[in-house]
Amino acid sequence: KAGVTQTPRYLIKTRGQQVTLSCSPISGHRSVSWYQQTPGQGLQFLFEYFSETQRNKGNFPGRFSGRQFSNSRSEMNVSTLELGDSALYLCASRARQGDRDTQYFGPGTRLTVL
Amino acid sequence: EDKVVQSPLSLVVHEGDTVTLNCSYEVTNFRSLLWYKQEKKAPTFLFMLTSSGIEKKSGRLSSILDKKELFSILNITATQTGDSAIYLCAVENYGGSQGNLIFGKGTKLSVKP
Repeated sequence: KAGVTQTPRYLIKTRGQQVTLSCSPISGHRSVSWYQQTPGQGLQFLFEYFSETQRNKGNFPGRFSGRQFSNSRSEMNVSTLELGDSALYLCASRARQGDRDTQYFGPGTRLTVL
Repeated sequence: EDKVVQSPLSLVVHEGDTVTLNCSYEVTNFRSLLWYKQEKKAPTFLFMLTSSGIEKKSGRLSSILDKKELFSILNITATQTGDSAIYLCAVENYGGSQGNLIFGKGTKLSVKP
């Protein structure tokens, strides 16, 4: 079974631009969560999607948004990029919401904002 | 505010040493505590703990949870250079935060030959 995949793996943008990151969960997994990882703050929860609906949202500004498609693939979008948005963005999938299964992480997208 | 605190933040040991990593938490409606190992990219799952006092073991790694004192430890015996990584502790709670893992900042372990 293929793992969680994320594209692109690396991205360089400039301030003010916007970016879209993609995540394909493990086949059969319907829940996708997004996290931001920085050296200073560690891993922080962005949002979680299940069956195309956002179920939870972390404490991030409205510039961070996401969506999930009917095939469970998810995208997150960051508009008006700031230098502080430079981070590793990880997505994780699980079999179904509320399941005791753990979350499985993708390799991440390394975003650099110049 | 829910929080997870790991200690130490970094640790340097020599091959063959035994290490203990700590994770304490203050979380409402605790559901489970998880340990992950992160080398260069994706965190990889190590253990999920839900009950106090029951040790989970995988090879040289083991972990236990104390729900009364709100902490967990991860032990690694006979460390090897391949154990060098960031070890992350995360807690999941019930209710409105399903699918949300609250992470500690990690312990960076360096194992010298």
